Amino acid sequence: EAGVAQSPRYKIIEKRQSVAFWCNPISGHATLYWYQQILGQGPKLLIQFQNNGVVDDSQLPKDRFSAERLKGVDSTLKIQPAKLEDSAVYLCASSFRQGSSYEQYFGPGTRLTVT
Amino acid sequence: GENVEQHPSTLSVQEGDSAVIKCTYSDSASNYFPWYKQELGKRPQLIIDIRSNVGEKKDQRIAVTLNKTAKHFSLHITETQPEDSAVYFCAASYVQVIFGPGTSLSVIP
Repeated sequence: EAGVAQSPRYKIIEKRQSVAFWCNPISGHATLYWYQQILGQGPKLLIQFQNNGVVDDSQLPKDRFSAERLKGVDSTLKIQPAKLEDSAVYLCASSFRQGSSYEQYFGPGTRLTVT
Repeated sequence: GENVEQHPSTLSVQEGDSAVIKCTYSDSASNYFPWYKQELGKRPQLIIDIRSNVGEKKDQRIAVTLNKTAKHFSLHITETQPEDSAVYFCAASYVQVIFGPGTSLSVIP
């Protein structure tokens, strides 16, 4: 089966600019996650979708970050405006079953550099 | 909310020796504990997981133990090989998955 797809793989922007990331999960996977992984740290959950509904977005900085999964399949994560501290790898993951207590399959990530 | 601590942050072992990584969690409701391996520049990949109704699970050279009373779980890798060198993350999950900060394992040939 095809894995989780993400694009772009790399993005360099200046602070205060906007950026959007795209994720296409494994076909049939109900749950989709966006993580932020800062260099040298573990992934930090930003938002979790179950189908097209938000399960948890408690750690999403809502003043600048937004995410949607309109048709319950692919998803976009947007940052507007970006700050220097947003430099990180943004990982998308999906799991087949509903809920977070199942194996997650990660995409290759988008490495964001904010200058 | 849930907090996951992981020790050590770095670990070097000789090839063939065993490696042990320990994690503690704070939310007693957590019921799923996966371990992920992340090689440099690559995505995290699940290597083993355990649920709260099980005390130990083994898969070839990898084993995980869970002590629910003490709220800690450990990863054991036996007969380490150079290809085991990577960053290992533990995680605890109930409603959301919380990852530990990671352990950088180096296996010296």
